[in-house]
Formats: sequence, structure tokens, C-alpha cells
Amino acid sequence: QSVLTQPPSVSGAPGQRVTISCTGTSSNIGAGYGVHWYQKFPGKAPRLLFYENNSRPSGVPDRFSGSKSGTSASLAITGLQAEDEADYYCHSYDTSLSASVFGGGTRLTVL
Amino acid sequence: QVQLQESGPGRVKPSEPLSLTCTVSGVSIRGTTYYWVWIRQPPGKGLEWIGSIYHSGSTFYNPSFKSRVTMSVDSSKNQFSLTLTSVTAADTAVYYCARPSEETFLEWSVGLDVWGQGTTVTVSS
Repeated sequence: QSVLTQPPSVSGAPGQRVTISCTGTSSNIGAGYGVHWYQKFPGKAPRLLFYENNSRPSGVPDRFSGSKSGTSASLAITGLQAEDEADYYCHSYDTSLSASVFGGGTRLTVL
Repeated sequence: QVQLQESGPGRVKPSEPLSLTCTVSGVSIRGTTYYWVWIRQPPGKGLEWIGSIYHSGSTFYNPSFKSRVTMSVDSSKNQFSLTLTSVTAADTAVYYCARPSEETFLEWSVGLDVWGQGTTVTVSS
């Protein structure tokens, strides 16, 4: 059981906007630690999409954006495309575990 | 362009040690101040941080692995390594080496922007 909780799945039609939530506690996101987001295709390594709550690596489309409020964070994907169908993971730090922690992952299906 | 490549046995017997190496190309471990990280993903499960090592050899390990984990750096070969002892079937996973997006910072602070392709390790007799 991950300390960062993500919905197992979300879906959306092409062109739509979807959000993926990452719910933590006062020991991680709520303590002010940054949240990072990754995209992962089966059999491939994760790709960093957004980090430190507000930074996007070069080459990542601005359709991907992250936000944080309280003990939760969200990844928003606008203008959904078929190629966005993948697993998405959030990542932060948990002070009670003294460990870098990941969410359980969310499978995005493009309808 | 920085690239990471994991190597090691694809199969390990229960109770034996698992040893993996990550070869870094495109940047010198000795010439930078990055942390170097190991992550794994068991079949059908999410990502799990194993540990991080600084170029100087300072380490941070996931407490959930207790004392089973050891990481090291070999700057002369531009490699860093992972050893996990007393493995069980629960250690079957794809193991990734990775690098944070900025020098000096641990992965939980700035995310991981460079990853190896991953290597599958199966624990089985």
C-alpha cells in the first residue's frame, strides 16, 4: 500500500482534459515536499513530466502541468491524445518513513 | 547526452545476493555532484525507491530494505552498483538506475530525469 494514493485508472476522450490526483498526508506532501510526475509505458523506463511542483523538463509538452494544495497534488493533461495512454506516477518524500515514495500509479485510457 | 545502462544476472536463487551495475556514459561521475539512484518495479506493482549514492560514496537507503542493501561507486569505471542480500521471490522486479534532474539534490527534491532501460531480475531456484 503506497503512502501516496492515486486512482487506479482514469479515462478521457481525445481532446479532453483529465486530472490525476495524488493524495498524501502531513508526513509527505502536506509537509511541503515537492511532488514529481512520471509517465511510463509498459516495458519502458519512466519519463519525468513535471517536478518540484512547478517545473517541466525540456521536451515535455505544456499540455502536462502539475499543481499542489495541502496534502494533495494533481497532474493535469489537456488536449488528450492517444499517445498519452500510459501509466502515471507521483513521487515525493515521506519524513516518517525517511524514504523517497511513489504513488501506486494511475492507468490513463484514451477512449 | 547522458545514458545509463544496467547490467547483471537475470536470475538469482533465493537467499543469494543480487548484484547489479549501472554504467554511466556521457558524463563523468567523478566530475559532477549528482546523486545516483536505484529504483525497482515488481511485476504488476508500482515503483519503489531502493537507495541513492553520492559521487563521494555517501548513501541513503530505503529503511524498508533494512540492512540488505549496499550501494557503491567506482569512479574509475564510471559505474555505480547495487547489492541486495538474502533475496526472496518478493525481490523479483525490473531494476532501474536513474539520476536526479539537478546536481547536488536528492531525487525526492528534484525528480529523476535520466533513467536506464531497466533490467529484469527473477528470484527463483
